[in-house]
This record gives sequence, structure tokens and C-alpha cells, in this order.
Amino acid sequence: AQTVTQSQPEMSVQEAETVTLSCTYDTSESDYYLFWYKQPPSRQMILVIRQEAYKQQNATENRFSVNFQKAAKSFSLKISDSQLGDAAMYFCAYRAYGGATNKLIFGTGTLLAVQP
Amino acid sequence: KAGVTQTPRYLIKTRGQQVTLSCSPISGHRSVSWYQQTPGQGLQFLFEYFSETQRNKGNFPGRFSGRQFSNSRSEMNVSTLELGDSALYLCASSPLPGSGADTQYFGPGTRLTVL
Repeated sequence: AQTVTQSQPEMSVQEAETVTLSCTYDTSESDYYLFWYKQPPSRQMILVIRQEAYKQQNATENRFSVNFQKAAKSFSLKISDSQLGDAAMYFCAYRAYGGATNKLIFGTGTLLAVQP
Repeated sequence: KAGVTQTPRYLIKTRGQQVTLSCSPISGHRSVSWYQQTPGQGLQFLFEYFSETQRNKGNFPGRFSGRQFSNSRSEMNVSTLELGDSALYLCASSPLPGSGADTQYFGPGTRLTVL
């Protein structure tokens, strides 16, 4: 069975600084998708960034980028120029490849605080 | 385009009662998934529907059930409520199941409290 592990329950970063959130996963599949979701206090889950495992290039979305290490089964999220609005719970998630399911397997989350 | 809507947003029930939660996906989306979020267990997959058919089900007791209508709206039902069913229930929609890296869009959730 696939699992997703986030070993940092809480992180803190100064405004305008850079922070990296860690995520490791376990799967025997070679193709899959990985996601980072943000959940602010409003509880609305928002997609931050996604990565297809068959793509070697790391995904980037504005200030957000990932470091995808397939062999190490690691998928970290880097937030550059942190803003107060980035404060939220961040979840790493895995989804199987193919058309069988949309089921997401989530990690336990990392609570990110942004200090002014 | 309107986002995923969930009703009601908040519910308070007592043990033994049953509850029905509703989810309206984004227009044109035909796949709906449900998740339970609790402090202790985190985010857990409940089930997913496509074209009125349940495609996958998570490891939850039979008290948890769901369905999807022809307009893609989905409902989930929990019977004989237990204290441990208190949670945030999230619904997510996407155009199709497992279609590439299609983004799943989440609703704001329904906060269920069981007393």
C-alpha cells in the first residue's frame, strides 16, 4: 500500500525568507502523481503544485517549486519570498497513475507559520 | 465558474442519529470524491463516484454510504452516528476519474459535530 510521510509537524519562516517542507512516500509503482495542497484556517483545500512522476523536470508555480527525487521517493516543497498569506497547513498527497481512481493519499500535514 | 459547494456547512447531531451531507461539483465535473478529516486520523478517503457509480471505497464501516445523481451532485450518509464521526467532511470534484494530472477541486467542507 502506498504511504505518504511528512516528518515536520510544524515549521516557521520569516516573511520574505525561503522555507522547505519535506515529504517522502512509498510506492511500488513507477508512474504516479504527487501534489502539495494548502489548507488555510478557512479549511478550503487549495492545490499548490503538482508533479507527474514520469517528468524529470521539477514543477514550479510562481514562488512555489518542488524538489522531486524519484529514486529517494522524496518530494519537498520550497516556498520562496514567504508571505503572511502562506501561513497554512500543507499536505503532501499521492495519486495513482491511470484512469482507475482519483483517490488521494495524504500525509499528516505540516503547519507553516509565517512571522512578520 | 462556481466552485464546489457543500451543504450544510455546519451540523450538530447526537449519537445514534443519521446525517446526510450534500456536494455539488463544479459544472461539467463528473467525478466526486469524499474525505474525512479528523485531528487524530488526518485526511482519509471515503469513496468516489463517477457516472452515478461508486468506483472506490475507503476503509470505513457500512454506516458510511453515498450516492451520485445524474446531475453529478453527490450525497453521503452516515447512520447511527458515533462520537468518533465528528469531523470535517470534504468533497472534491474533477472532470473525470484519474484523467492525467487533473486537479481535484475541493469544497469548503461540512463540519459535523456529534454530541
